[in-house]
Amino acid sequence: GENVEQHPSTLSVQEGDSAVIKCTYSDSASNYFPWYKQELGKRPQLIIDIRSNVGEKKDQRIAVTLNKTAKHFSLHITETQPEDSAVYFCAASKGRNYGGSQGNLIFGKGTKLSVKP
Amino acid sequence: DGGITQSPKYLFRKEGQNVTLSCEQNLNHDAMYWYRQDPGQGLRLIYYSQIVNDFQKGDIAEGYSVSREKKESFPLTVTSAQKNPTAFYLCASSIGLFEAFFGQGTRLTVV
Repeated sequence: GENVEQHPSTLSVQEGDSAVIKCTYSDSASNYFPWYKQELGKRPQLIIDIRSNVGEKKDQRIAVTLNKTAKHFSLHITETQPEDSAVYFCAASKGRNYGGSQGNLIFGKGTKLSVKP
Repeated sequence: DGGITQSPKYLFRKEGQNVTLSCEQNLNHDAMYWYRQDPGQGLRLIYYSQIVNDFQKGDIAEGYSVSREKKESFPLTVTSAQKNPTAFYLCASSIGLFEAFFGQGTRLTVV
């Protein structure tokens, strides 16, 4: 089945710097790649997602890139702010093309991002 | 915060006791999921249901049970067979197999 590896497990940056989190996946049939942000004691919330028919997607200070050949995707946060401090999870799924368990989201283990003022 | 509601927020279980975690959604989503979150372990899938009256085991189903009698509800029972139940439990729902919306979580502690 699908396996998602996420690196690094912890990341500390100075306010204003950029942060990059990387994920690799094993199943070339995966076609949906969301990123979730989880603040301490709160629920994970979707911040951006990308589907396999595009290579990059941007939303203000957040961008995600996808390299299907290499089977990896990355989250880029520019001009980081203290409120960006949280745990970030990547995930992969085969989406609607598959039924049963194969369509479920498989999550990485998370990256704890700390932005120092 | 609306849409998907978990209760209680904190739950304490005695050794050998079964407890049930509630998950309700008003998003009209067909699919619902239960995840367990441990420090440094990410989100691991316990059970999922893609339609009413049907559910499937996830990666770590042993010691847990679920039901899906209504579209809106997907309760999780942590049985005495689950030897290490202390964790943060998250319920989620989705339309189709894409974006998942999460509840606020239940923190279960064995006392």
